[in-house]
Amino acid sequence: AQSVTQLDSQVPVFEEAPVELRCNYSSSVSVYLFWYVQYPNQGLQLLLKYLSGSTLVESINGFEAEFNKSQTSFHLRKPSVHISDTAEYFCAVAGGFKTIFGAGTRLFVKA
Amino acid sequence: DTAVSQTPKYLVTQMGNDKSIKCEQNLGHDTMYWYKQDSKKFLKIMFSYNNKELIINETVPNRFSPKSPDKAHLNLHINSLELGDSAVYFCASSQRGLAGANEQFFGPGTRLTVL
Repeated sequence: AQSVTQLDSQVPVFEEAPVELRCNYSSSVSVYLFWYVQYPNQGLQLLLKYLSGSTLVESINGFEAEFNKSQTSFHLRKPSVHISDTAEYFCAVAGGFKTIFGAGTRLFVKA
Repeated sequence: DTAVSQTPKYLVTQMGNDKSIKCEQNLGHDTMYWYKQDSKKFLKIMFSYNNKELIINETVPNRFSPKSPDKAHLNLHINSLELGDSAVYFCASSQRGLAGANEQFFGPGTRLTVL
């Protein structure tokens, strides 16, 4: 069975500051890891994913996440956030037909 | 063109009523899902269909019944609605892939309010 823990329910940060959203997972088998973003009143959309290969994966809007097998983590980072990054971020782990989502982290970017 | 669409977007109804939410995807995907998102944003899988066949059926009251007339549609019917059913329901789809490696595409959600 898989599980996902997002360690912070809310992360307030000032514009142009760096941010890290933390995610730890547990699984007895190989897994695939995802970060999804949900903007207000919208559905989730994929931000980035790790399937295999390079442990550092990047999104088109400046986010990156690093798969760390020994620490069973997949933390999301951005060196400089914008107001428009304010959203709910979900870490997810997939194996078989099921994807398990974390409880979400609300990133709130302040001017 | 909308990839995954849901109707209605908002649904307000009285306790005890029966209601349906419809979902359609035009991505050619084989697998579709229903999720429930509560007021704390927690997202929980309810059902999943692959090529019209039920493959995931989580611990959901049997008042909830999914139906997939074809692989592009997955509807959710809810009988005898209760206050606790109030939530946002998301439909999603994905291409069938190796052990869940494919991303899921989500619809815009249906906000259900039971009074």
